[in-house]
Amino acid sequence: AQSVAQPEDQVNVAEGNPLTVKCTYSVSGNPYLFWYVQYPNRGLQFLLKYITGDNLVKGSYGFEAEFNKSQTSFHLKKPSALVSDSALYFCAVRDIRNTDKLIFGTGTRLQVFP
Amino acid sequence: DAGVIQSPRHEVTEMGQEVTLRCKPISGHNSLFWYRQTMMRGLELLIYFNNNVPIDDSGMPEDRFSAKMPNASFSTLKIQPSEPRDSAVYFCASKSDREGNTIYFGEGSWLTVV
Repeated sequence: AQSVAQPEDQVNVAEGNPLTVKCTYSVSGNPYLFWYVQYPNRGLQFLLKYITGDNLVKGSYGFEAEFNKSQTSFHLKKPSALVSDSALYFCAVRDIRNTDKLIFGTGTRLQVFP
Repeated sequence: DAGVIQSPRHEVTEMGQEVTLRCKPISGHNSLFWYRQTMMRGLELLIYFNNNVPIDDSGMPEDRFSAKMPNASFSTLKIQPSEPRDSAVYFCASKSDREGNTIYFGEGSWLTVV
């Protein structure tokens, strides 16, 4: 079965430190992978995606994600966290049975402390 | 460039009343999605349309929920009669087949049924 797992409900990091939000996937074939961010009382905003090519994908707000096929992971990273990065982050994978749809993870709450 | 527009942003209604949520997708997008987000169940896909035609409504919770897309620039999600357990944030989202699988979300309609 296709799925996306975000093993951490919450990640805490001090401002200025690097951050990682983890995502692993289970899907046959070549995955299309996405990260979205949801700020409080807002909709989900697209951050970045991996379709093919370079395993390191750069996105909005200084975020990047690394596709690792052997570990079936697509972790979101940022070299230096900001307090304003505090939000809910969702990983998603394209549904191979219905390519219009995305399968979302349960979300990881990132808290950046001053 | 206008994003996905939803109305109302907030609605408080009494149990048993009809609720209608509205969505205007991004111009030129041909797929439209309705999602529901709750603390307990996370982000759920309720229904989606492609070229104004409902493709997958397997996520619609029950017959009290219905959705329509009379034209490419407008969709409604209706709950009749509403119940307290319908309280949630309802997101509309859209995408274009020409842009791959990136889905763009609206800011949501925050529904409270008392």
